[in-house]
Amino acid sequence: EDQVTQSPEALRLQEGESSSLNCSYTVSGLRGLFWYRQDPGKGPEFLFTLYSAGEEKEKERLKATLTKKESFLHITAPKPEDSATYLCASRGGADGLTFGKGTHLIIQP
Amino acid sequence: GAVVSQHPSWVICKSGTSVKIECRSLDFQATTMFWYRQFPKQSLMLMATSNEGSKATYEQGVEKDKFLINHASLTLSTLTVTSAHPEDSSFYICSARPEYEQFFGPGTRLTVL
Repeated sequence: EDQVTQSPEALRLQEGESSSLNCSYTVSGLRGLFWYRQDPGKGPEFLFTLYSAGEEKEKERLKATLTKKESFLHITAPKPEDSATYLCASRGGADGLTFGKGTHLIIQP
Repeated sequence: GAVVSQHPSWVICKSGTSVKIECRSLDFQATTMFWYRQFPKQSLMLMATSNEGSKATYEQGVEKDKFLINHASLTLSTLTVTSAHPEDSSFYICSARPEYEQFFGPGTRLTVL
């Protein structure tokens, strides 16, 4: 059974204070590692898909990286509008995604 | 990115009634759509995979007779919660993928009184 574990559960940063979110996964035959952002009461917003170890993708202040066991979402010089829950999900043998519980990120001005 | 819509965005119903939720892919065709459920402060849990023109595939523990899924066209899937009870109150979210990435709808908040 696929498993995805995210840490920390919650993270509070000052504006401009860079940090990383962790996603550990156990998946048989990984066919994609996904990162989403979810705001309260809304559906997940797609950020990145990573397919193989060593792959990196960037978008504005976010960079996602992938190893054989983990993925990291690096946030550089975050702003208050980056506050959200960040979800990591895997696709293995089935087409549906297995989600972690998310990291609730708060950026204080 | 691809756009997925859901309707309604929220619904309140009495216990014992049925509720239908629509999921549409607006700018692409989707042979496969997915239905997830999210309880407060929990992550998304896959309920079922909806396949155009064929029966849905349900995850273990999800009652197929209670959560009826119909994927009648390449842009529309519906989820009907039959004989809803308060424990069915949740945030229901659909998703679809034009190719490899999976895009999500805005979700439907169901409250059963």
